[in-house]
Amino acid sequence: EVQLVESGGGLVQPGRSLKLSCAASGFTFSNYYMAWVRQAPKKGLEWVATISTSGSRTYYPDSVKGRFTISRDNAKSSLYLQMNSLKSEDTATYYCARIITTVVYYFDYWGQGVMVTVSS
Amino acid sequence: DIQMTQSPASLSASLEEIVTITCQPSQDIGNYLSWYQQKPGKSPQLLIHSATSLADGVPSRFSGSRSGTQYSLKINRLQVEDTGIYYCLQGYSAPWTFGGGTKLELK
Repeated sequence: EVQLVESGGGLVQPGRSLKLSCAASGFTFSNYYMAWVRQAPKKGLEWVATISTSGSRTYYPDSVKGRFTISRDNAKSSLYLQMNSLKSEDTATYYCARIITTVVYYFDYWGQGVMVTVSS
Repeated sequence: DIQMTQSPASLSASLEEIVTITCQPSQDIGNYLSWYQQKPGKSPQLLIHSATSLADGVPSRFSGSRSGTQYSLKINRLQVEDTGIYYCLQGYSAPWTFGGGTKLELK
């Protein structure tokens, strides 16, 4: 059974940093692209970052580019999101998601999410 | 960036009714369209990928279609457990973008 379990969320002051983790199990982690998607309270979904199987390629929207860094450790089947210079608008539930890239691109499994609150 | 216009924003329907939700991308995305269901307090779940392919384990009352540049999610014979928020996603080009969501309630 595919499982994705996020951790590392919490309350952080504006301008500070936080690192999220996602522990994957039930599949060969190194074979899949992975992503982070977030959802602000009572809002819709926003894609945050994607990483290739080896970690050599990463992708970000402009809203987080230069502040967030996605990474992975295939030996540990773990995905990470380093978030720097946090802003109040980064307050959201962050989901780790597995990506299917065989023919088309979509998220087939999601974690339960971890809450990040940016506030003074 | 590709904008995904999803409609309606909210919808109230009766049990056993047929429900249709649509997504209109701002440019061609081929079949790079997927649909997700999110229930309160839960993470999104994949329903449809590649515009028309049913994800594993999803009831057959859900279906996806494409007509030109418009994509639709159809729920045949609405059930109580189908309430929630539905999102479309374009995976054609970065930044990958979601529709604004459709909140589906029972009448």
